[in-house]
Amino acid sequence: GNSVTQMEGPVTLSEEAFLTINCTYTATGYPSLFWYVQYPGEGLQLLLKATKADDKGSNKGFEATYRKETTSFHLEKGSVQVSDSAVYFCALSDPGANNLFFGTGTRLTVIP
Amino acid sequence: GAVVSQHPSRVICKSGTSVKIECRSLDFQATTMFWYRQFPKQSLMLMATSNEGSKATYEQGVEKDKFLINHASLTLSTLTVTSAHPEDSSFYICSARGLAGGLGYEQYFGPGTRLTVT
Repeated sequence: GNSVTQMEGPVTLSEEAFLTINCTYTATGYPSLFWYVQYPGEGLQLLLKATKADDKGSNKGFEATYRKETTSFHLEKGSVQVSDSAVYFCALSDPGANNLFFGTGTRLTVIP
Repeated sequence: GAVVSQHPSRVICKSGTSVKIECRSLDFQATTMFWYRQFPKQSLMLMATSNEGSKATYEQGVEKDKFLINHASLTLSTLTVTSAHPEDSSFYICSARGLAGGLGYEQYFGPGTRLTVT
């Protein structure tokens, strides 16, 4: 079946620190992979995505590379800001399925 | 573009009453809308998928008679929690997917509705 395992939080970092949030997946086919971000009191926003192996998704300084050999899609940012404080969700979409499968979310807090 | 709204953002109701939550795609036509439930510190769980003009498809374990979904137009889906009980208290999030070729198959999420049943 399809599932996503995500690094548990919460994660607290100082401003300008390096961020990694691990995400691994299990899928029956060749899924597309996503990172969504949820700011306090808001819905989810797509942060980045990758649709095939070795693709790198990037947005707002965040990056994630689709690694088929390790079934991973780790989120990274070289220098976090206070405004990056949010909950981050890793997700996959199987081409044969209609919906998204989400990880449990990782809460990131960045302190000045 | 691709904005999804939900109304209300928060609702408190008494046990036994029904509550309706609206999900609207503001600037695009959504052939498919999804309803998710999010428990505190947990992930989103898909409840049901609705296609405009047809009956919703519910995930295993979701009571269709309790969570009534209507997708009457390409811009509006509603979720009605009937005879609500305290265990129905949760954060409900909808998403909408646009027509292929335009917005593709990406889902756009609403801001969520926090339901509290007393």
